[in-house]
Amino acid sequence: SQTIHQWPATLVQPVGSPLSLECTVEGTSNPNLYWYRQAAGRGLQLLFYSVGIGQISSEVPQNLSASRPQDRQFILSSKKLLLSDSGFYLCAWSVYRGYEQYFGPGTRLTVT
Amino acid sequence: GEDVEQSLFLSVREGDSSVINCTYTDSSSTYLYWYKQEPGAGLQLLTYIFSNMDMKQDQRLTVLLNKKDKHLSLRIADTQTGDSAIYFCAESGNNAGNMLTFGGGTRLMVKP
Repeated sequence: SQTIHQWPATLVQPVGSPLSLECTVEGTSNPNLYWYRQAAGRGLQLLFYSVGIGQISSEVPQNLSASRPQDRQFILSSKKLLLSDSGFYLCAWSVYRGYEQYFGPGTRLTVT
Repeated sequence: GEDVEQSLFLSVREGDSSVINCTYTDSSSTYLYWYKQEPGAGLQLLTYIFSNMDMKQDQRLTVLLNKKDKHLSLRIADTQTGDSAIYFCAESGNNAGNMLTFGGGTRLMVKP
């Protein structure tokens, strides 16, 4: 069966520091991968999605970036965090051209 | 752009039925989804409905879709305290990456 992992689960970082969040999927090949952010008490905002290795589409201009170095690995990065980057970051996957998206457990990021 | 709206809060008594409503604007939506999020956790896909269907039932869950009014609802029969969570409505337009647009979520509180 397929599983999706995210780490770390919780992160506290100072303003201006770099960021790297990792997401990996097991049990499937060539998945679509997604990064979402959920601000406190708000809905989900799609940040990036990828349909293949090295293929990244950005939905929201910001100081975040994403990379997909391997088929089942999706990384969210920042060179310098802002206070407004605080939130709950969720990774999700779907079968290529599939209709069901499955979410990971999330990473709670607090920028201080 | 696409927009998905939900009421913020719903309170019901244990054993009653819950009805969570959602409206959307994208007339090209192909699939509509309901996700459940428990505190501090990722999103769990509950059910989804194809846009050419009016109703889908899965155990205690009934999804109704009024495509003319762009209105989606989720009915939970015999609501239990374990159903307390935030419920998100989402829609996918006709896009290759199957990007989802989420509503802001409805917090369901079930009173014993």
